[in-house]
Amino acid sequence: QKEVEQNSGPLSVPEGAIASLNCTYSDRGSQSFFWYRQYSGKSPELIMFIYSNGDKEDGRFTAQLNKASQYVSLLIRDSQPSDSATYLCAVNKGAGGFKTIFGAGTRLFVKA
Amino acid sequence: NAGVTQTPKFQVLKTGQSMTLQCAQDMNHNSMYWYRQDPGMGLRLIYYSASEGTTDKGEVPNGYNVSRLNKREFSLRLESAAPSQTSVYFCASSESEANNYGYTFGSGTRLTVV
Repeated sequence: QKEVEQNSGPLSVPEGAIASLNCTYSDRGSQSFFWYRQYSGKSPELIMFIYSNGDKEDGRFTAQLNKASQYVSLLIRDSQPSDSATYLCAVNKGAGGFKTIFGAGTRLFVKA
Repeated sequence: NAGVTQTPKFQVLKTGQSMTLQCAQDMNHNSMYWYRQDPGMGLRLIYYSASEGTTDKGEVPNGYNVSRLNKREFSLRLESAAPSQTSVYFCASSESEANNYGYTFGSGTRLTVV
């Protein structure tokens, strides 16, 4: 089992729809969770981080965390073609280290 | 506001050659990291430096060495390049070793070993 798992996609949604990206993690002691966006040929860019169970909203983006079920998700409302990218989930491991583990990413394609 | 600067952006090496990838940040961050990114495998940590004067191995350190030259600069050296080291290399930095606020990444180095 990978420490951080994401569906590789591609996830295809029409413009204006809600895109839902999911991530599961194995270390129950994990404490910090991050979403990065990576355009093709570019470096990852931090979108959001979340620490507590529940939702955190920032503009069109909402991160959701459920520690009991060990998953974190990212919702993108009113999806735009410019949102087409690979989205990386990253998790800070719990006790014994502070290393950040990345998922392999989900490719999102927003159709105009 | 440069953020994290990596050089070079592209490099082609022959098997057995050596090279150093340079990274510098101007955000006064304490911690710096080197990752490699391969298709389907995500980002894997090679080495990190929690603070100036310290370095530690990550998930895939074999074949690499690092130097934390000062608070700003963190270099990655390939002593004898192998085709398996063909990858995209990213340097990143964070405010602290706890990485509570996420990384800032450099633009990457695309390395091909032939």
